[in-house]
Amino acid sequence: DQQVKQNSPSLSVQEGRISILNCDYTNSMFDYFLWYKKYPAEGPTFLISISSIKDKNEDGRFTVFLNKSAKHLSLHIVPSQPGDSAVYFCAAVDSGTYKYIFGTGTRLKVLA
Amino acid sequence: DTEVTQTPKHLVMGMTNKKSLKCEQHMGHRAMYWYKQKAKKPPELMFVYSYEKLSINESVPSRFSPECPNSSLLNLHLHALQPEDSALYLCASSQAQTINRHYGYTFGSGTRLTVV
Repeated sequence: DQQVKQNSPSLSVQEGRISILNCDYTNSMFDYFLWYKKYPAEGPTFLISISSIKDKNEDGRFTVFLNKSAKHLSLHIVPSQPGDSAVYFCAAVDSGTYKYIFGTGTRLKVLA
Repeated sequence: DTEVTQTPKHLVMGMTNKKSLKCEQHMGHRAMYWYKQKAKKPPELMFVYSYEKLSINESVPSRFSPECPNSSLLNLHLHALQPEDSALYLCASSQAQTINRHYGYTFGSGTRLTVV
């Protein structure tokens, strides 16, 4: 039972355009969400996070939006750059156990 | 030093071998984690150490044995593994593992393990 889902396994975007990566979750006990980026042969790198008391958090080119009623979050990258090409994982934190649950990942390819 | 260092990067072992994976961080983080990641799957939590004590074991088979000798080191001892245990093993650390205070993890690059 996958509690955190990223339904798009891959996404291609032209350089300079917006990349939107989506994540859905099922557990209402999740109260903190994070996005990680992973390059081949490297470990995941923390990118940005959002608490369930907020609906938006912005850091430079990266913005995460949270829709609690829909149990949906998204990561916007504007403008997209070729160096953003990587696998992006969303993760949710269970407030009861404070364990991270990772999504299945979306491979983003930014075309020059 | 803002890294988590894992050694070795690659390991091939037979089903009767005993080997160890090592993880080291010098960021003063007090929580350390082992994750297992199979191809095209998300990382799955195996163990959590908080202040050098095992706090979470996700029902991992006993052929995997974690050890935290001190606050900077985390080992994963492997014995009698099966081919299906082949995966990328990721170590991570964070400032703390406490309810209501969440920190992003710092991950190592992982050890690619192949069991033959």
